[in-house]
Amino acid sequence: NAGVTQTPKFRVLKTGQSMTLLCAQDMNHEYMYWYRQDPGMGLRLIHYSVGEGTTAKGEVPDGYNVSRLKKQNFLLGLESAAPSQTSVYFCASSWQQGSYEQYFGPGTRLTVT
Amino acid sequence: AQKVTQAQTEISVVEKEDVTLDCVYETRDTTYYLFWYKQPPSGELVFLIRRNSFDEQNEISGRYSWNFQKSTSSFNFTITASQVVDSAVYFCALSELHRDDKIIFGKGTRLHILP
Repeated sequence: NAGVTQTPKFRVLKTGQSMTLLCAQDMNHEYMYWYRQDPGMGLRLIHYSVGEGTTAKGEVPDGYNVSRLKKQNFLLGLESAAPSQTSVYFCASSWQQGSYEQYFGPGTRLTVT
Repeated sequence: AQKVTQAQTEISVVEKEDVTLDCVYETRDTTYYLFWYKQPPSGELVFLIRRNSFDEQNEISGRYSWNFQKSTSSFNFTITASQVVDSAVYFCALSELHRDDKIIFGKGTRLHILP
């Protein structure tokens, strides 16, 4: 049981490049989330999904897109990376509503130069 | 508005001392949930506890204890006889039943346990 996995673990991009972060969970959770963590800012929700085929915006969605084609996977895309998107990105999943605890992946450290 | 405040940005204590991490929340909902997560230096986030708004009983788990007081909108976390392995960033979080199922995190408290 791997829990929540994220690929890649590290990535360096040049401004304007694109990339996709992959999150996978094997717990059959309905809900999945993408957060970014910046120093002194805590965790901020980018986008989330309440089930396969659904996505919704979180607190800081600009510059990101997501897709949930399969229940176990949640992809986060950066179409044109900017230095302001340098951050650590965490994926999480939960059984149902926000009243349930979230299980987090190990994080992806992204640097945009 | 939904909000979580962790006023202590950073705390340092000597090993074996007790330490309390404060968490104050704001919500308009009568049904809500509070959480604490730990982020050790390795970076992963680890769930510690969940408490719903109808259960004000304090919780104890080993050296960890949580004090939930609705009257002061606080959900404080105490580590008794701290150990170096407790060094981490601790996040308090809130979710409201009627608010799109999102969890709002505080900015975290970095705890240093000095040997």
